[in-house]
Amino acid sequence: GDSVTQMEGPVTLSEEAFLTINCTYTATGYPSLFWYVQYPGEGLQLLLKATKADDKGSNKGFEATYRKETTSFHLEKGSVQVSDSAVYFCALKARAGNNRKLIWGLGTSLAVNP
Amino acid sequence: EPEVTQTPSHQVTQMGQEVILRCVPISNHLYFYWYRQILGQKVEFLVSFYNNEISEKSEIFDDQFSVERPDGSNFTLKIRSTKLEDSAMYFCASSERGQGIQYFGAGTRLSVL
Repeated sequence: GDSVTQMEGPVTLSEEAFLTINCTYTATGYPSLFWYVQYPGEGLQLLLKATKADDKGSNKGFEATYRKETTSFHLEKGSVQVSDSAVYFCALKARAGNNRKLIWGLGTSLAVNP
Repeated sequence: EPEVTQTPSHQVTQMGQEVILRCVPISNHLYFYWYRQILGQKVEFLVSFYNNEISEKSEIFDDQFSVERPDGSNFTLKIRSTKLEDSAMYFCASSERGQGIQYFGAGTRLSVL
């Protein structure tokens, strides 16, 4: 079945460091891909998305490119801030039929130190 | 900005008891979802709901679970007889369209003792 694999955390970085969180997926067809973020005490918020190959999603300085050839959707940010400390989730949604469920990675906790 | 609201934030119950988790989706959304996350595990889909009926459910969503939209604003998840393994964070989500972005609440932490 469809699945998402994320790099394990926790990830600890200093402010202004470069961030990469790896995400790969297994799916039939061409799913839509998402990154959600969960700040402490809050719900899951959509960070960015991409719906087809080579699309780049971006938001708040974060980027991820839908790579069909490597079945990947890695999250990157050039310079992290303390306020980026959160748990980041990669997810996919298959396109087949009426399928609307999101399939999730395990989540990667990020801590950014000043 | 509109948001999905879940209550309570934390529910503690005894094994075998019934619990109802409540959600108020975003007002113009038509599709509703429940997910759960057991500590240390992935977020898992439970059920989706549209037009007053279940449109998809996972194998986790057995006869012990039910969902309801009792009025125009609430969306509830009922667990009839809770088990220890039902302890998890339960997330409600809603979307405007079937393939639209899903917006999530902050979750209800269910602890079954």
